Amino acid sequence: GQQVMQIPQYQHVQEGEDFTTYCNSSTTLSNIQWYKQRPGGHPVFLIQLVKSGEVKKQKRLTFQFGEAKKNSSLHITATQTTDVGTYFCAGPNTGNQFYFGTGTSLTVIP
Amino acid sequence: ETGVTQTPRHLVMGMTNKKSLKCEQHLGHNAMYWYKQSAKKPLELMFVYSLEERVENNSVPSRFSPECPNSSHLFLHLHTLQPEDSALYLCASSLQVRNQPQHFGDGTRLSIL
Repeated sequence: GQQVMQIPQYQHVQEGEDFTTYCNSSTTLSNIQWYKQRPGGHPVFLIQLVKSGEVKKQKRLTFQFGEAKKNSSLHITATQTTDVGTYFCAGPNTGNQFYFGTGTSLTVIP
Repeated sequence: ETGVTQTPRHLVMGMTNKKSLKCEQHLGHNAMYWYKQSAKKPLELMFVYSLEERVENNSVPSRFSPECPNSSHLFLHLHTLQPEDSALYLCASSLQVRNQPQHFGDGTRLSIL
């Protein structure tokens, strides 16, 4: 069945270090969305990428959608304590079934 | 304030009880979703409604029964639940189904005794 895996599952970084989470789908996705869930909170939409190879930036965050539209990455430069949370990728496959990734939990050590 | 309101925030119920979760969105969206979030598991999509019509039911046990009386309200009726149903239940809405960003409520933390 459809799977959307993210690695790593957990990541601890010192404040100021960079962080990357990778998202891999077993099938092609129509688009990729990224969400952030703070501890005790709910997922909050960050961004959506639609085109193959697309790259978007939001301040210290860089999002990339793979050429085959089966993988994506989120890179955070110079992490801050406010970046703490779980980052999820998500998207619909070509059959219009929507899946969330397994998530990467980020801890930032001050 | 996310524009999506869920009640109650916490619910403890016995396995023989019947209860309902409520979700209301004030965003003018046409699609609404129920998700289950368990510890150490990815978000599981349970049901999808588009303009009050159920468009997806992901093999959810019949002890969970959704209801969407209009595009602003979504209910999840619960009966004869099992301990493994204890989880955070999240409601979300989007402008159109699936391809649009989803806005989530704060969730209902459900505990089954």
